[in-house]
Amino acid sequence: ETGVTQTPRHLVMGMTNKKSLKCEQHLGHNAMYWYKQSAKKPLELMFVYNFKEQTENNSVPSRFSPECPNSSHLFLHLHTLQPEDSALYLCASSQDLDSGANVLTFGAGSRLTVL
Amino acid sequence: AQRVTQPEKLLSVFKGAPVELKCNYSYSGSPELFWYVQYSRQRLQLLLRHISRESIKGFTADLNKGETSFHLKKPFAQEEDSAMYYCALSGDNQGGKLIFGQGTELSVKP
Repeated sequence: ETGVTQTPRHLVMGMTNKKSLKCEQHLGHNAMYWYKQSAKKPLELMFVYNFKEQTENNSVPSRFSPECPNSSHLFLHLHTLQPEDSALYLCASSQDLDSGANVLTFGAGSRLTVL
Repeated sequence: AQRVTQPEKLLSVFKGAPVELKCNYSYSGSPELFWYVQYSRQRLQLLLRHISRESIKGFTADLNKGETSFHLKKPFAQEEDSAMYYCALSGDNQGGKLIFGQGTELSVKP
């Protein structure tokens, strides 16, 4: 599949569970992002990776743990989440942070519900 | 601080009417501005960016640095334009680290 693929599309978890969101892109991009989209709030940038190196952690609580094993894959590990963490988590990619090509390609998102 | 404001949550117009979605920003440097669109059951995608100076699907947007605005305009709205529209800003050397507005839902009625 081309573009940015996110799995799972829907996830329901309890506050004591550990789960992971996965993002994969086959666009040859080197920058990947996690954004959070909550109801009635703008998209919030969470993490940025450029050439597998984390360049941004936007004051995200430690119960969210990103991992970028290579430029094509990005994970968001979740543990001991709170109900207010329920949201749509969007993955995006771009060419890289240095080329000036700032256009993001988004995935369809993972809808997370924390009970 | 960087901020993007879209004052209208919902904009409803009739088909064939002109439409303007407002976007104001706060940034002290030289920003790059974007409009992203999300059609029903589709993913968020780029509509246009100010440096391209293109008209996409009949939409245009001009960066007005004096008014710190980047309003999206279309002279004749179509029903297929109904969607969520997000204005976004990227600061100097910020790459794809975009700051988004809250979004405006455009509803074009027949």
